[in-house]
Amino acid sequence: KNQVEQSPQSLIILEGKNCTLQCNYTVSPFSNLRWYKQDTGRGPVSLTIMTFSENTKSNGRYTATLDADTKQSSLHITASQLSDSASYICVVAGQAGTALIFGKGTTLSVSS
Amino acid sequence: DGGITQSPKYLFRKEGQNVTLSCEQNLNHDAMYWYRQDPGQGLRLIYYSQIVNDFQKGDIAEGYSVSREKKESFPLTVTSAQKNPTAFYLCASSNRVGEKLFFGSGTQLSVL
Repeated sequence: KNQVEQSPQSLIILEGKNCTLQCNYTVSPFSNLRWYKQDTGRGPVSLTIMTFSENTKSNGRYTATLDADTKQSSLHITASQLSDSASYICVVAGQAGTALIFGKGTTLSVSS
Repeated sequence: DGGITQSPKYLFRKEGQNVTLSCEQNLNHDAMYWYRQDPGQGLRLIYYSQIVNDFQKGDIAEGYSVSREKKESFPLTVTSAQKNPTAFYLCASSNRVGEKLFFGSGTQLSVL
């Protein structure tokens, strides 16, 4: 069964600290992996999209990594800010990128 | 200002009533989608449309209907057959199916 598992479910960190969110998937065939940020009561916003051949991709303070062999991805947030408080969703696209499998998300809270 | 507009932000449905959620995009995207988000769950696809006058059922289409008469509009009707409609509904679009998704800000539907 195609699944996307994210960990931890929730995380609390102090402002200025770094953190790493994990995503494991069993989707096959695999087309690409996406990370989204969703603020409470808002729609998700794309952070990164990585294909099979890409190992890492950055978007400002956000850096995503992908290991297609072990079917694992991580999202690293550097020097966290209060505005980083949100849910982070990992999405894996199946063949031709058409079938999207969404993870349940990791809720990040950044406190001052 | 380009993007996707969903309305209303909040909607209440009475027993036996049909309600329609609006979704408009000015990104000139061919593909549009409707997702349902429940607390602690990943997004689930209700319907999607690759082109005007065409749409396909997603994973949880029962109790919902859509139309795509114009490229920029993809309204979702939640019918009385949907027995558990309370959820956060997200509309999205992409240039073509499988490409990067752009989401609206969502509609929270509740049952009175």
